[in-house]
Amino acid sequence: EVVLTQSPGTLSLSPGERATLSCRASQSLDNGFVAWYQQQPGQAPRLLIYRALHRATGIPDRFVGSGSETDFTLTISRLEPEDFALYYCQQFGNSTGTFGQGTKVEVK
Amino acid sequence: QVTLRESGPALVKPTETVTLTCTFSGFSLSSSGMCVSWVRQPPGKALEWLALIDWDDERFYSTSLRTRLTVSKDTSKNQVVLTMTNMGPVDTATYYCARTLVTQYYYGMDVWGQGTTVTVSS
Repeated sequence: EVVLTQSPGTLSLSPGERATLSCRASQSLDNGFVAWYQQQPGQAPRLLIYRALHRATGIPDRFVGSGSETDFTLTISRLEPEDFALYYCQQFGNSTGTFGQGTKVEVK
Repeated sequence: QVTLRESGPALVKPTETVTLTCTFSGFSLSSSGMCVSWVRQPPGKALEWLALIDWDDERFYSTSLRTRLTVSKDTSKNQVVLTMTNMGPVDTATYYCARTLVTQYYYGMDVWGQGTTVTVSS
């Protein structure tokens, strides 16, 4: 099973700042099978990025996915108030899926 | 418009089997690439991927939970059913189903239900 390790656990930033979230896989992944989600308190997750770098429908271009093999990154170029939330990376490969443990982006 | 809604018992006893139903609309689970995933989230904890069933009735399970999970679909009813055996307190969580698209690539879970909360307690 692929273990995804996200870092940092918590990111304390101010609106307008850049956020860089990391997701490291325990084995090399096919880029085509990595996704990122955002979750607001009390809500279901929302798909942000699929295939490692493609934005889902309606996702602003300040969200950028990148990476390959074992290292993947979600960058939020300029934080808006609605971006303070939990973020999860996820993979689906080798006939099973896993999530990372999440990164919380909070207001500094 | 694509919607999904989870339903099932809010409370189950330890060792019982729980059956959760995902009723969806706005897409067909018999269309190539269409899938439904199940994900859960214990209170205050991270998301956990559970299972996926695809348009061709192929089923995929969490490595750690595969012996306890069964996913099935009824295309005519637009429903996907997840059963989990031998429930314990650690299985207390909100359970979500989500539409998922998988072709030669994985397009992620793009539409989610609101979730159903299952509490395991005697």
